[in-house]
Amino acid sequence: AQSVSQHNHHVILSEAASLELGCNYSYGGTVNLFWYVQYPGQHLQLLLKYFSGDPLVKGIKGFEAEFIKSKFSFNLRKPSVQWSDTAEYFCAVNEGTDSWGKLQFGAGTQVVVTP
Amino acid sequence: DAGVIQSPRHEVTEMGQEVTLRCKPISGHNSLFWYRQTMMRGLELLIYFNNNVPIDDSGMPEDRFSAKMPNASFSTLKIQPSEPRDSAVYFCASSNRTGWGKNQPQHFGDGTRLSIL
Repeated sequence: AQSVSQHNHHVILSEAASLELGCNYSYGGTVNLFWYVQYPGQHLQLLLKYFSGDPLVKGIKGFEAEFIKSKFSFNLRKPSVQWSDTAEYFCAVNEGTDSWGKLQFGAGTQVVVTP
Repeated sequence: DAGVIQSPRHEVTEMGQEVTLRCKPISGHNSLFWYRQTMMRGLELLIYFNNNVPIDDSGMPEDRFSAKMPNASFSTLKIQPSEPRDSAVYFCASSNRTGWGKNQPQHFGDGTRLSIL
C-alpha cells in the first residue's frame, strides 16, 4: 500500500525561528501534493498544493513547499514562525492514477510555537 | 461561499444508540468525502462519493457504518449500533472533479466530535 510519512510528530520552536517539516511518499508515479493545517479545534485548511510545474510552491501565511521528485519528498517551510502558527500540519498525496481526488494523509506534525 | 457544513458539532450518546452525522457540501462540488480522525489512527478516509454515487467504501470499518448521499447537497453517515471505540472527530470534505485527474483541493467542514459512552 502507498504511504505518506511525516518524520516529526512534535516540533517545538520559538517565534521567529525557521520551520521545516518533512514529508515523503512511497508512490512512484505522478502525484498531486498538498499541505493542510489544522488549528486547535478547527477543521483542516489548505496551505498549498502542487500539481505540476515549478517545484517550489508558495502558499498562504508565508508557507512554501518544495517538491523533489527524486527524493519523493514535499517538505514544508516557513522562514520565520509566529505564535499563531501553532497547529497540526498534514501532508497529503493524491496518486496520479486516481481520478477521484482521493487523498492519503500523513500522520500529522504537531507544531508548538512558544512566544 | 458558505463552506462545508456539518451537523451536529458535538454528539454525546450511549453505546448501542444510532448516530447520524450530516454534511452539506459546497454548492457546485461533485465529490464528497467522509473521514474519521483519532489520535491513534490519524485521518482515515471512510467513503467517498462522486455525483452522489458511492465510489469506494473500503474504508468503512464495519457494517455498523453506512453512508448515503440522496442528492448533491446532502450526505449522512450513520452508525448503528454505536460503540465507544467509534468516538472520534468525523470530517466531511468536498471538492470538484472536472475530469480525469483534474481534481480541485478538498475543502473540509468543521467536523462532528462524537463521544460514545
